[in-house]
Amino acid sequence: KNQVEQSPQSLIILEGKNCTLQCNYTVSPFSNLRWYKQDTGRGPVSLTIMTFSENTKSNGRYTATLDADTKQSSLHITASQLSDSASYICVVSDRGSTLGRLYFGRGTQLTVWP
Amino acid sequence: EADIYQTPRYLVIGTGKKITLECSQTMGHDKMYWYQQDPGMELHLIHYSYGVNSTEKGDLSSESTVSRIRTEHFPLTLESARPSHTSQYLCASGGLAGLDTQYFGPGTRLTVL
Repeated sequence: KNQVEQSPQSLIILEGKNCTLQCNYTVSPFSNLRWYKQDTGRGPVSLTIMTFSENTKSNGRYTATLDADTKQSSLHITASQLSDSASYICVVSDRGSTLGRLYFGRGTQLTVWP
Repeated sequence: EADIYQTPRYLVIGTGKKITLECSQTMGHDKMYWYQQDPGMELHLIHYSYGVNSTEKGDLSSESTVSRIRTEHFPLTLESARPSHTSQYLCASGGLAGLDTQYFGPGTRLTVL
């Protein structure tokens, strides 16, 4: 069964600290993995997208890694800011259909305290 | 910020009412999607479209229907709303290329009393 599991479910950190969010997936065949940020009451916004051949990608203070062999990804946030408080969703796409079916994790709810 | 819009943002209605959730995008995307998301849960695909006059049901069974008469417009309709339809509905669009990002609208928070 194609699944995307994220950990931790929730995380609280102090402003300025770093954190790492985890994503494990069983989606096969694998096409790409995306990290989205979803603010409360808003739609998700794409942060990074990585294909099989990429193992790291950065977007400002966000750095995503991908290990396609172990089917794991992480999202590292550096020098956190209050505006980083949001849900971070890991999304994996398969190659099994023309739609490029997306499998969503439940997200990690990050709260940054001042 | 993506040019994809949803209205209304919030809707509270009584059981049995017919409702239409609007979604429009100005990016010329062929693919459009409707997702349903409950608090703290993952997004579930309920409808998608490859282009004009193309609509398909997604992974999660839904009593809603959609139409795609124009490229930029992808409305979702519930003929008779029930409390079980209470949820957040997110519309998204993307290009046909495999790695194209899906751009999400702000969502409609629906509450059926």
